[in-house]
Amino acid sequence: EDQVTQSPEALRLQEGESSSLNCSYTVSGLRGLFWYRQDPGKGPEFLFTLYSAGEEKEKERLKATLTKKESFLHITAPKPEDSATYLCAVHDGGSNYKLTFGKGTLLTVNP
Amino acid sequence: GAGVSQSPSNKVTEKGKDVELRCDPISGHTALYWYRQSLGQGLEFLIYFQGNSAPDKSGLPSDRFSAERTGGSVSTLTIQRTQQEDSAVYLCASSSWGGDEKLFFGSGTQLSVL
Repeated sequence: EDQVTQSPEALRLQEGESSSLNCSYTVSGLRGLFWYRQDPGKGPEFLFTLYSAGEEKEKERLKATLTKKESFLHITAPKPEDSATYLCAVHDGGSNYKLTFGKGTLLTVNP
Repeated sequence: GAGVSQSPSNKVTEKGKDVELRCDPISGHTALYWYRQSLGQGLEFLIYFQGNSAPDKSGLPSDRFSAERTGGSVSTLTIQRTQQEDSAVYLCASSSWGGDEKLFFGSGTQLSVL
């Protein structure tokens, strides 16, 4: 059974304090790893897709990286507006559409 | 519309009642998904529609849950004889072709079963 584990469950940072969120996964054959951002009362919003180990993608203060066992979401010099829950998900080898999600990391950035 | 629209945004019902949740996907998107998000849990896949193909219902938790998609557009998720454990946020998402691509989510329906 596919598993996605995110850590930490919650993270508090001061504005400008860089850090990383972790997503470890177990799948039979990774077809894609996805990062989404979810604000309270909203649905998840797509950030990145990574397909193979060594791949990196960046968007503003966020950079996602992928290894064979885990992905990191690096947040550089975060701002209060980066506060949200960050969700990691994988497509397993048996499906190109069904996503298995982790429970998320709640990030709070204090001014 | 500009995004995925879900209604109602909140629904409070009594145990044993039936409820219907509606999803309007982005125009032109052929793939439509329903997920459930319970407190402290990850999003749980429920059902997937792609064009005129038979839906993948493998995630529906019991036969009290059903969904349909009319005319390849609007979808309705129906829960019969609701139970307290059905309380959750029900999220709908759509995508243009349903493969390895990003999903566009609605804001969800918060269902509370008393």
